[in-house]
Amino acid sequence: DVKVTQSSRYLVKRTGEKVFLECVQDMDHENMFWYRQDPGLGLRLIYFSYDVKMKEKGDIPEGYSVSREKKERFSLILESASTNQTSMYLCASRPPVGGMNTEAFFGQGTRLTVV
Amino acid sequence: SQQGEEDPQALSIQEGENATMNCSYKTSINNLQWYRQNSGRGLVHLILIRSNEREKHSGRLRVTLDTSKKSSSLLITASRAADTASYFCATDLRSSGYALNFGKGTSLLVTP
Repeated sequence: DVKVTQSSRYLVKRTGEKVFLECVQDMDHENMFWYRQDPGLGLRLIYFSYDVKMKEKGDIPEGYSVSREKKERFSLILESASTNQTSMYLCASRPPVGGMNTEAFFGQGTRLTVV
Repeated sequence: SQQGEEDPQALSIQEGENATMNCSYKTSINNLQWYRQNSGRGLVHLILIRSNEREKHSGRLRVTLDTSKKSSSLLITASRAADTASYFCATDLRSSGYALNFGKGTSLLVTP
């Protein structure tokens, strides 16, 4: 079974801290994604990556950056955490070629609270 | 920008009843997928329907797709309390680079 693992289920950070959210997948997928989920807003795409060292902005990239140094790992970075970044963060991966007709696999989510 | 919009936002039914959720989208798609999310957890894929398909079944799930109306429906038959979850549709835009765009979801409550 494909497994997408996020490093933390719950995280509490202080305003201004640099925060790293880690995501690892074990199925050699080229494509990886970070979403945030807020009540009433659904899932919104922050960044995605279709290959090592490649990244593309999603719908809400402001305040975030990403790193993809290895194929299996996709990190989301909050350069200076703010309270409006309190949210549920979901990582996902998806198979490569022919990926237009395949499902995405999600991690269990990280609930981040910025105080 | 979000592509899919689910309707209704919330649905409450009793065990044994059928649950129908709808999804509308805006532009051309390659496929449409439905996902389920239990409270506070990640999403799990349920079913995928391609743009050239009109109906698909998987167990108690039935999905329809009407590309002329840019809409899809998910029917869960004979609902169980364990079906209580949020359900999301996701579309795969031709220009998105494999990123899925999700709607806001329908929250389904099935009471015993």
